[in-house]
Amino acid sequence: AQSVTQLDSQVPVFEEAPVELRCNYSSSVSVYLFWYVQYPNQGLQLLLKYLSGSTLVKGINGFEAEFNKSQTSFHLRKPSVHISDTAEYFCAVGKTSYDKVIFGPGTSLSVIP
Amino acid sequence: EAQVTQNPRYLITVTGKKLTVTCSQNMNHEYMSWYRQDPGLGLRQIYYSMNVEVTDKGDVPEGYKVSRKEKRNFPLILESPSPNQTSLYFCASRSGTAYNEQFFGPGTRLTVL
Repeated sequence: AQSVTQLDSQVPVFEEAPVELRCNYSSSVSVYLFWYVQYPNQGLQLLLKYLSGSTLVKGINGFEAEFNKSQTSFHLRKPSVHISDTAEYFCAVGKTSYDKVIFGPGTSLSVIP
Repeated sequence: EAQVTQNPRYLITVTGKKLTVTCSQNMNHEYMSWYRQDPGLGLRQIYYSMNVEVTDKGDVPEGYKVSRKEKRNFPLILESPSPNQTSLYFCASRSGTAYNEQFFGPGTRLTVL
């Protein structure tokens, strides 16, 4: 069965510092990957997704993620965070042949002024 | 504006009192889904629907019912709510395959006493 691991449940970081949110998945077949963001008291919205091709994916709000097949990882990065990036971030994975997406437990990013 | 709406946003009820949470989307999406979000567990799928009159169980369907009589609406029904159904619920929709972005509603926070 597929699973998604987000190793850090909470990540505090100072404003303008870089951040990396880690995501690992378990699957032996081709997958597609997503990062969603949930701002306080809102639903989730898509940050970026990887389907195929270039392993470096750029998303909205200056975020990017790198797909690493050998390490089964899809870590999210931003070179300089802003207060407005404070939110919950969810990694999600879907299997090419299986029409379903599995979400990780989430990482709470807190940006400290 | 393209959106998924849910009502109510907040609900406090008592054990055993039937309730319905409504979900509606205006994007003509075929696929709709209900998730519950619990701390440390991420989003878990309750039920989903591939189209009108086509519904299927997700990962945690016990205690819930759904119906899809119209393409735009996908209500979630709790026939006899119990305290372990206290959670944050999200409705989502997308077009086509799971490669595509899911659009989420704002969430319904349910407390069962």
